[in-house]
Amino acid sequence: GENVEQHPSTLSVQEGDSAVIKCTYSDSASNYFPWYKQELGKRPQLIIDIRSNVGEKKDQRIAVTLNKTAKHFSLHITETQPEDSAVYFCAAPPGGTSYGKLTFGQGTILTVHP
Amino acid sequence: DAGITQSPRHKVTETGTPVTLRCHQTENHRYMYWYRQDPGHGLRLIHYSYGVKDTDKGEVSDGYSVSRSKTEDFLLTLESATSSQTSVYFCAAGEGNEQFFGPGTRLTVL
Repeated sequence: GENVEQHPSTLSVQEGDSAVIKCTYSDSASNYFPWYKQELGKRPQLIIDIRSNVGEKKDQRIAVTLNKTAKHFSLHITETQPEDSAVYFCAAPPGGTSYGKLTFGQGTILTVHP
Repeated sequence: DAGITQSPRHKVTETGTPVTLRCHQTENHRYMYWYRQDPGHGLRLIHYSYGVKDTDKGEVSDGYSVSRSKTEDFLLTLESATSSQTSVYFCAAGEGNEQFFGPGTRLTVL
């Protein structure tokens, strides 16, 4: 099955700085890579995703980059704000499936200090 | 919130009792999932469904069963609850790989 490793486990930044979280995956046939944000006591929410046919996708202050050769993808948050503080999860499905049997990373606790 | 609800939202039960958690979605999604979330383990897939009456096991299925008799409902049953099943349970639904999560159920097994 798919194996997803996420780093770092905790990340502390000052407001306005950038934050980068990286995930590696094992199945070279994986073709979909979502990122979820989970605030304390809330449900995980999909914030951005990328498919294997593109290398980068942006949505305002967040972006995801994908390196298929190295089998890793990263979440970039620019101009961080205190409300960005949350746990972020990456995920990937095993290759060849048409539905989302996602394997999740362990999560990164992001703290943005005002 | 993608029209996904879970009930109950909180439950405390005794070891050895059966427990059923319900997930309800209003978006007619084909695929539904049950996860558990524990500190240090992230989200782990218990069971999933790819259609009415079509279900399969996930990564941590021992001690759990599921049923899906209607598109909108996906039930998770703990046949005989154990303390190791104390967790937060999330349901998700979606099409293809995209998944949207319910609000979660916090289950405590004493």
